[in-house]
Amino acid sequence: EPEVTQTPSHQVTQMGQEVILRCVPISNHLYFYWYRQILGQKVEFLVSFYNNEISEKSEIFDDQFSVERPDGSNFTLKIRSTKLEDSAMYFCASQSSGGYQETQYFGPGTRLLVL
Amino acid sequence: AQRVTQPEKLLSVFKGAPVELKCNYSYSGSPELFWYVQYSRQRLQLLLRHISRESIKGFTADLNKGETSFHLKKPFAQEEDSAMYYCALRYNFNKFYFGSGTKLNVKP
Repeated sequence: EPEVTQTPSHQVTQMGQEVILRCVPISNHLYFYWYRQILGQKVEFLVSFYNNEISEKSEIFDDQFSVERPDGSNFTLKIRSTKLEDSAMYFCASQSSGGYQETQYFGPGTRLLVL
Repeated sequence: AQRVTQPEKLLSVFKGAPVELKCNYSYSGSPELFWYVQYSRQRLQLLLRHISRESIKGFTADLNKGETSFHLKKPFAQEEDSAMYYCALRYNFNKFYFGSGTKLNVKP
């Protein structure tokens, strides 16, 4: 069964550095998402992406964040200048269509630690 | 504003006992609600959605618009049901709000 994959599984970075988290959604899926989960807290929606543009974003998704689908298969989340509070698990998800109650398929996550 | 509340952080039951994981939502529009489950060391996966009215792994959930609830129920819990359960609301075009999650612990 096809799965969403994410790389790397873990990333450690210094405060102020840029990081790029990578996701390969399920092929033929059209909707893509990023979420984060700070340790011990709930899953928070960051952004949804469709047709090569952001369709929705949360208040968390400020100018430090950007998303891209550079080559038709990867879906990336870039954090421009990381802060300590960006330390979290980041999940990517994909969905075949925007239909009512469509299933989202989640990746295994990337654990980001900012020192 | 939209919100999802899962009042219990942890729910412990014995094997064979009934389980009810509570979820209440707040949304002025027509809600789309889901239950997601995360087993230990595994990824989040969809368990149920309100429209399908199906039973998955013995779990059911009914959307009650009057009480703004979408509680997850199972009549007889199994040890393999032990996991984190998240209630989620989809709103606007494509935004999601997850509840804080309930950890279900089924004891032998």
